[in-house]
Amino acid sequence: DAGITQSPRHKVTETGTPVTLRCHQTENHRYMYWYRQDPGHGLRLIHYSYGVKDTDKGEVSDGYSVSRSKTEDFLLTLESATSSQTSVYFCAISETGWNEQFFGPGTRLTVL
Amino acid sequence: GQQVMQIPQYQHVQEGEDFTTYCNSSTTLSNIQWYKQRPGGHPVFLIQLVKSGEVKKQKRLTFQFGEAKKNSSLHITATQTTDVGTYFCADNRDDKIIFGKGTRLHILP
Repeated sequence: DAGITQSPRHKVTETGTPVTLRCHQTENHRYMYWYRQDPGHGLRLIHYSYGVKDTDKGEVSDGYSVSRSKTEDFLLTLESATSSQTSVYFCAISETGWNEQFFGPGTRLTVL
Repeated sequence: GQQVMQIPQYQHVQEGEDFTTYCNSSTTLSNIQWYKQRPGGHPVFLIQLVKSGEVKKQKRLTFQFGEAKKNSSLHITATQTTDVGTYFCADNRDDKIIFGKGTRLHILP
């Protein structure tokens, strides 16, 4: 497996609190992605990054922000968590953006 | 927006039977990727198809890309319990991947 870690792996939080999820890679890949996975919806792209400080929105970016200050780290922030953001969040990396993506183990987030 | 539709959503097969999942798009696909996700796990890349009419095989798995690059299929011959999971197709374009909703495969022993 590619060197991708996500932290935390599980989190329970309350509505209205800020939450930050971290994705860390040791592969030096340029592209990094955040997805959420919900039953019946498959994997949906939230935000992605094509380099340090270069990010763009995906399909479901409302309520989320991201930052990438170093090649190896991509942070996903929920400024004020809502119950609709309860989901499993996956980070992925890709060398070129055109070839395969390698996924992290996921973070299960529950917003009460 | 761009969409890839996968059918069926669920499939139950007897162990040893064949299985096929289909991926369709209303627009021409740039290239198509296939991923497998085991229950409780993360998606794992299987293959990428780029050329019109392309066919690739990985042991019991056969992947096809349609001539018009608007559809793709994954066929598994003689399923085994290790094939259990959800299979996703994904349209790769503009440095992003848009996933289909997946086909969940259940194997009956």
